Amino acid sequence: NAGVTQTPKFRVLKTGQSMTLLCAQDMNHEYMYWYRQDPGMGLRLIHYSVGEGTTAKGEVPDGYNVSRLKKQNFLLGLESAAPSQTSVYFCASNRQGVGQPQHFGDGTRLSIL
Amino acid sequence: RKEVEQDPGPFNVPEGATVAFNCTYSNSASQSFFWYRQDCRKEPKLLMSVYSSGNEDGRFTAQLNRASQYISLLIRDSKLSDSATYLCVVITTMDSSYKLIFGSGTRLLVRP
Repeated sequence: NAGVTQTPKFRVLKTGQSMTLLCAQDMNHEYMYWYRQDPGMGLRLIHYSVGEGTTAKGEVPDGYNVSRLKKQNFLLGLESAAPSQTSVYFCASNRQGVGQPQHFGDGTRLSIL
Repeated sequence: RKEVEQDPGPFNVPEGATVAFNCTYSNSASQSFFWYRQDCRKEPKLLMSVYSSGNEDGRFTAQLNRASQYISLLIRDSKLSDSATYLCVVITTMDSSYKLIFGSGTRLLVRP
């Protein structure tokens, strides 16, 4: 039982490149979330999903897209990376709902030059 | 004004001390509250939920003050291993959408 797994752990991109971050959970959770965390700031919700095939915008959705084609996977895409998107990205999931505790992956460190 | 505010600290306390953190929130309609712990360069981990009547888990006590719109975390008999950043989370349900806001965290350093 791996919990929440994020791939990759580290990545360096050039401005304008695209990439996809993968979050996979093996706990059969309905709800999944993508956050970014910048120095001195709390986690900020980018997008979330309340079930397979659904997505919703969080606090800072601009510049990101997401997809939840399979219940266990939640993908975060950067179509044209910008230096402002340099951050640590965390994925999380839970079973019962947004108002319930979440299980977090161990993060993806993304640098955009 | 930020929707969720925490004193960044650091709170520097000796082992065995009692320390308390507050987290204030601006939306009176917020319904769910949690405390998470985050170690340096690690993912957040749930410490405890915060219930309206207050709740305790070993050395940790969480309380909610709806009138003044803050939650608190009290740590008794601090251990070296309690050194971490403590994040509060405030969740508000609006129609069919949610607003989930993390505080920026309070850093705790427990010294020998």
